[in-house]
Amino acid sequence: DSGVTQTPKHLITATGQRVTLRCSPRSGDLSVYWYQQSLDQGLQFLIQYYNGEERAKGNILERFSAQQFPDLHSELNLSSLELGDSALYFCASSVRDLSGNTIYFGEGSWLTVV
Amino acid sequence: AQSVTQPDIHITVSEGASLELRCNYSYGATPYLFWYVQSPGQGLQLLLKYFSGDTLVQGIKGFEAEFKRSQSSFNLRKPSVHWSDAAEYFCAVAPRDNQGGKLIFGQGTELSVKP
Repeated sequence: DSGVTQTPKHLITATGQRVTLRCSPRSGDLSVYWYQQSLDQGLQFLIQYYNGEERAKGNILERFSAQQFPDLHSELNLSSLELGDSALYFCASSVRDLSGNTIYFGEGSWLTVV
Repeated sequence: AQSVTQPDIHITVSEGASLELRCNYSYGATPYLFWYVQSPGQGLQLLLKYFSGDTLVQGIKGFEAEFKRSQSSFNLRKPSVHWSDAAEYFCAVAPRDNQGGKLIFGQGTELSVKP
């Protein structure tokens, strides 16, 4: 158990809909990251928040948005869903140690768009 | 462009045999280096990481990896594989300017273990 909690674990929704994925980081971790894992794209970094502020952006679509709240939990919002958005979405959090960060992943939220 | 290459998509080894999974990266400067394992239906578990110092890194579950700057490689090894090691293994790098936060993953190597 990494200590990173993601809900829901599984989600099935229709095209055009909007969903919200939730993540609670490890206790004390200020950074939260979102990654997408799909068969065709592999594992891709989407976005990072640090203590409530956006820190880095990756291959995140404009239809997707995220935020980190004062209690440090984060939400990833996916809207106007398409079939190709079906994927496993990981949240991760990090603790700074020595010269860099060690990133711990949650078990993911499986999203199926039908 | 920054990239991570895991040349072997699928490897099969016999239980008790040694294992080496290859990872090469293309990066402007030495990044942070990681190996993660993903068991079926599970999340990603960190096996080991290299930030600096000793180029031979010990991880969990008996795994080790060696960083070779001249070859831009970070190969994962285990002297004796157990059936429970069957999983998908991902090599990842992260830029030092982001303090290791933005991971770039390889495509993964699926490991099967024969009894």
